[in-house]
Amino acid sequence: DAMVIQNPRYQVTQFGKPVTLSCSQTLNHNVMYWYQQKSSQAPKLLFHYYDKDFNNEADTPDNFQSRRPNTSFCFLDIRSPGLGDAAMYLCATSGTGDYGYTFGSGTRLTVV
Amino acid sequence: DQQVKQNSPSLSVQEGRISILNCDYTNSMFDYFLWYKKYPAEGPTFLISISSIKDKNEDGRFTVFLNKSAKHLSLHIVPSQPGDSAVYFCAAPLDTGANSKLTFGKGITLSVRP
Repeated sequence: DAMVIQNPRYQVTQFGKPVTLSCSQTLNHNVMYWYQQKSSQAPKLLFHYYDKDFNNEADTPDNFQSRRPNTSFCFLDIRSPGLGDAAMYLCATSGTGDYGYTFGSGTRLTVV
Repeated sequence: DQQVKQNSPSLSVQEGRISILNCDYTNSMFDYFLWYKKYPAEGPTFLISISSIKDKNEDGRFTVFLNKSAKHLSLHIVPSQPGDSAVYFCAAPLDTGANSKLTFGKGITLSVRP
């Protein structure tokens, strides 16, 4: 089945220790998004790629970076995680002509 | 500022009854709306959508109503089932056209009691 896969499902990292979350897709969608969702809050867009074009949201902290080496994969790098970065991180994709997204299952990040 | 608002954080209904989940928006330029459903420890899944040229869209037990003058939409689930218990997000594309970024509400947690 075509899908969006996020690894790992749960990630525990130490305060200040760099961490990378990954997302892969078999849908061949050209747009990939990273959202951060904290408890009882709306998912917040961090950045997205339209093909190889990177688009950063104005309020996304510099601590967050992203890479998209090819169509299938996209990575979220948190250079120095703080306690406030603990959240669910959602990867989503959309294809040509799509109005909605296909989401992965998310990665729950805990910072200790 | 939240452009899509779900002001009621939770809703509890009896199995078989109607669930009505509300969503308000502030941007009159929004021309498309989507509802997503999310189970714990899973990503959101698309449920139903509506274009601003319509005032109603129905898919099985799920119906979305749009009131453009009030900038309000609602999702009706009839009859509600225990498996409908989840968080429901209302969303809208920030730009016109496809592949637009979505802005989401905070979500409503629906609990359907057997």
